[in-house]
Amino acid sequence: EAQVTQNPRYLITVTGKKLTVTCSQNMNHEYMSWYRQDPGLGLRQIYYSMNVEVTDKGDVPEGYKVSRKEKRNFPLILESPSPNQTSLYFCASSPQRGFEEKLFFGSGTQLSVL
Amino acid sequence: EDKVVQSPLSLVVHEGDTVTLNCSYEVTNFRSLLWYKQEKKAPTFLFMLTSSGIEKKSGRLSSILDKKELFSILNITATQTGDSAIYLCAVYNFGNEKLTFGTGTRLTIIP
Repeated sequence: EAQVTQNPRYLITVTGKKLTVTCSQNMNHEYMSWYRQDPGLGLRQIYYSMNVEVTDKGDVPEGYKVSRKEKRNFPLILESPSPNQTSLYFCASSPQRGFEEKLFFGSGTQLSVL
Repeated sequence: EDKVVQSPLSLVVHEGDTVTLNCSYEVTNFRSLLWYKQEKKAPTFLFMLTSSGIEKKSGRLSSILDKKELFSILNITATQTGDSAIYLCAVYNFGNEKLTFGTGTRLTIIP
């Protein structure tokens, strides 16, 4: 089954404690992206990657890091989480950038930073 | 800056009713408008619209785009409780290759 898998689904942490949210896709997609979703603000792009070792900032990259060492994986790293990063996070992938109708989303990670 | 505005923010109707959700946009280099359904998890793709006046239909859901007036509507007829979800609208800008989302309409169907 074609899917984007995120882990964990729920995470509660404290300010400053480094964390990683994993994302893996099994569709051999070149393009992967991270979004955060906040009430009243919609989905906003954090970082994206057009292929292995190619990453770029989205609209709200501050406080986040990503890496793309393998095609299937695109982890999101919060080096020093803060309460304003409490949000619902989605990873997404598509065959290439620009294939917007083929953008598959993961099931989301609800992060709470205390 | 690209902008997508959805209305209403929230809508509560009874099962069997017909609903219309609205999406207006301002975007340079418009290529497409997309609708998604988001239940308690991942947004799932419903429609992509690129041309004015051509209705896309899937079962009880349909959508149409007006590129002159810069809006789209999503209609759901004979609503069912399974239609309860957040409906997201997004537009794709081919200049910066960016997808901009609206804040969504939360639809609740009462049995």
